[in-house]
Amino acid sequence: AQKITQTQPGMFVQEKEAVTLDCTYDTSDQSYGLFWYKQPSSGEMIFLIYQGSYDEQNATEGRYSLNFQKARKSANLVISASQLGDSAMYFCAMRRSGGGADGLTFGKGTHLIIQP
Amino acid sequence: EAGVAQSPRYKIIEKRQSVAFWCNPISGHATLYWYQQILGQGPKLLIQFQNNGVVDDSQLPKDRFSAERLKGVDSTLKIQPAKLEDSAVYLCASSLDRVSGTGYGEQFFGPGTRLTVL
Repeated sequence: AQKITQTQPGMFVQEKEAVTLDCTYDTSDQSYGLFWYKQPSSGEMIFLIYQGSYDEQNATEGRYSLNFQKARKSANLVISASQLGDSAMYFCAMRRSGGGADGLTFGKGTHLIIQP
Repeated sequence: EAGVAQSPRYKIIEKRQSVAFWCNPISGHATLYWYQQILGQGPKLLIQFQNNGVVDDSQLPKDRFSAERLKGVDSTLKIQPAKLEDSAVYLCASSLDRVSGTGYGEQFFGPGTRLTVL
């Protein structure tokens, strides 16, 4: 079974500072994918970044980067130069790779609030 | 490109009543998922369809929940009879296969249906 743990229920960060959101995972699969999604108060889930278990380099997408430490089973999201619009819930999720069943297992999320 | 559409956006029902939710995925997306998100938690997968076939329904409470995806496009999720603990947001998502698009196979989510059971 897969499990995602996000230990920060909430975080307050000053605008323009960098922020790291923690995510650890547990799986017996050798091949898997890790995702981060943003959920604003409006409710939709927005895909941010993806890391494959065999990817040698950490993923980056604009202001988002993923600090992937496979041995520690962690996949922390780093947001550089935070903006007021980054205030939202952030979810880490894992997908099994291989086979047809590839639904996501989500963590409980981190509520990020950016302060001016 | 139009996103994943869901309706209704909000629904309030009494316990023991039935309710149905509708989802229209992004055009061309063969895979469709239904998730349940209880307040304060991450989404939990209920069922996954590939075209019109069920791939994974291991977490679907089959005594009261049912879902179908006729013709491999739109999908309907039904609850009958509803319980208080079914109060949640029901999210529909769709994805391309991993060879197409970005290769990530990321899931694109609809706005959700917020269900309140009284």
